[in-house]
Amino acid sequence: DTGVSQDPRHKITKRGQNVTFRCDPISEHNRLYWYRQTLGQGPEFLTYFQNEAQLEKSRLLSDRFSAERPKGSFSTLEIQRTEQGDSAMYLCASSLSRAGELFFGEGSRLTVL
Amino acid sequence: DAKTTQPNSMESNEEEPVHLPCNHSTISGTDYIHWYRQLPSQGPEYVIHGLTSNVNNRMASLAIAEDRKSSTLILHRATLRDAAVYYCILRDEYSNTGKLIFGQGTTLQVKP
Repeated sequence: DTGVSQDPRHKITKRGQNVTFRCDPISEHNRLYWYRQTLGQGPEFLTYFQNEAQLEKSRLLSDRFSAERPKGSFSTLEIQRTEQGDSAMYLCASSLSRAGELFFGEGSRLTVL
Repeated sequence: DAKTTQPNSMESNEEEPVHLPCNHSTISGTDYIHWYRQLPSQGPEYVIHGLTSNVNNRMASLAIAEDRKSSTLILHRATLRDAAVYYCILRDEYSNTGKLIFGQGTTLQVKP
């Protein structure tokens, strides 16, 4: 399967711990997006990369959140000092062009106890 | 970002057509109308998109009103696998990022 892959699929952590999610986009896609989705809501945009450059960050992305995309391939999303309100599904998507469709991964579900 | 309005939920019987409405009265001339759907426990997936003319693909049809202030996603024969949340999204053709802004969508239930 050559779709967008995310790891881990599920993560349970205690409040205050750091967590990191990884996203591997479709190989030729230079655009990468992170979204967060809570129960019953649509996905909320967090941040956007074009190649290795992070070009847009949502106000939702607090100081505890950091995303990287070294070398313009895979991306990581780190949450420091997790809070219960961070519990959500974190979705990654990639696309080939500005007007192209977004291909989403299956997401990484975070539960903060 | 221009907003869309969709019913929270709809029901359909299996093998019958389904018409999912979307209102977007503040649409601008450069906004494309996109539809994505999200099956349970999966990420969203692309369904169809259009600008002015009606569009057909293997998954669905998109009917766009002449004034572009509303559109309808048509599933010609609903199956149980079509049960999902359907999102109607406006995307600016000239957006630098190409990001999608999701609303709450319409949850479609398909009855056998």
